[in-house]
Amino acid sequence: KAGVTQTPRYLIKTRGQQVTLSCSPISGHRSVSWYQQTPGQGLQFLFEYFSETQRNKGNFPGRFSGRQFSNSRSEMNVSTLELGDSALYLCASSLKVSGANVLTFGAGSRLTVL
Amino acid sequence: QQQVKQSPQSLIVQKGGISIINCAYENTAFDYFPWYQQFPGKGPALLIAIRPDVSEKKEGRFTISFNKSAKQFSLHIMDSQPGDSATYFCAASTYSGAGSYQLTFGKGTKLSVIP
Repeated sequence: KAGVTQTPRYLIKTRGQQVTLSCSPISGHRSVSWYQQTPGQGLQFLFEYFSETQRNKGNFPGRFSGRQFSNSRSEMNVSTLELGDSALYLCASSLKVSGANVLTFGAGSRLTVL
Repeated sequence: QQQVKQSPQSLIVQKGGISIINCAYENTAFDYFPWYQQFPGKGPALLIAIRPDVSEKKEGRFTISFNKSAKQFSLHIMDSQPGDSATYFCAASTYSGAGSYQLTFGKGTKLSVIP
């Protein structure tokens, strides 16, 4: 079974630009979550999508947005990039197992903002 | 507000030794506590998890100890090997409505196992 696929793996942008990251979940997983990982803050929850609807959102500014398509693939967008947006962006697809939400992460998209 | 506090930030252990990583939480609504392991260039991968009605769970060399009254849980890695060198994250999950369960992560512990 293929894992969670994230593209691109690496990208460099400049301040003020916008970026779109893509995530293909494990086949059959309908929930996709996004996390931002930085050395200082660790893993922080951005949002979760299920059946094309955002059903949970973390404490990030409106510059961060996402969407999910009918095939469960998801994209996240960051507009007006700031230096502090440099991070590893992780996507996870999840399945409920015995009442617990088990996340499977992709390898991430490493964004550098110059 | 950091809801899951993890320590130490880094840990160096001799091969064959025991690695211990501790986490503490405040929110009593947390009901599922997984540990994730992350190697450089990879995403975190689920290692082992526990529910608060169990005080200990063991899978191979990895054991979670859970103290509900103290709101603390820890990961023990027995017979630590160089291949265990990675960053470990504890996490806690709670239901956040609309069918969504949100994971809150600790800030991670970088484990180095030296030969």
